[in-house]
Amino acid sequence: DSGVTQTPKHLITATGQRVTLRCSPRSGDLSVYWYQQSLDQGLQFLIQYYNGEERAKGNILERFSAQQFPDLHSELNLSSLELGDSALYFCASSVAGGNQPQHFGDGTRLSIL
Amino acid sequence: SQELEQSPQSLIVQEGKNLTINCTSSKTLYGLYWYKQKYGEGLIFLMMLQKGGEEKSHEKITAKLDEKKQQSSLHITASQPSHAGIYLCGADMDNQGGKLIFGQGTELSVKP
Repeated sequence: DSGVTQTPKHLITATGQRVTLRCSPRSGDLSVYWYQQSLDQGLQFLIQYYNGEERAKGNILERFSAQQFPDLHSELNLSSLELGDSALYFCASSVAGGNQPQHFGDGTRLSIL
Repeated sequence: SQELEQSPQSLIVQEGKNLTINCTSSKTLYGLYWYKQKYGEGLIFLMMLQKGGEEKSHEKITAKLDEKKQQSSLHITASQPSHAGIYLCGADMDNQGGKLIFGQGTELSVKP
């Protein structure tokens, strides 16, 4: 158990819909990262937050947005969903930003029908 | 082309045999991380390497970082069925504080 909690574990929805994925980091970790894993693209970095502020951005679509709240939990919002958004979405956390191990949650599997 | 190339893509070994997985970067490495993943599950952190020549061990798994070659290797000694899974290397390539680029993974099967 990494200590990173993601909910829900599975999500099935339709094209055009909007979903919210939630992540609670390990106790004491200030930095949260979101990644997307798919068969064709592999594991891709989406976005990082540190203590409530956006720290780094990767290949995140404009339809996707994230935030980190004062209690340090984070949410990833995906809107106008397309079939290609079906993937495993991981949240990871670390004590701070920079070169420190990132500990991953078990992921949310998103299926778009 | 991939910024971080792993080889081989898949590996089948007999229990008890040694094996090596390689991870080669097209850019300077500021940090290199090894993870293990069971299919469809979360990533388990194994080791972090930061300095050229650094070597770390975790049970029967050893990882080394060759900074000049921008390459890391993961070596498993006397493999066991519990070692089976997907091994992923992740790299910090911009030294900006956290974003990791991952390789495509190496799927390891260990035959009893």
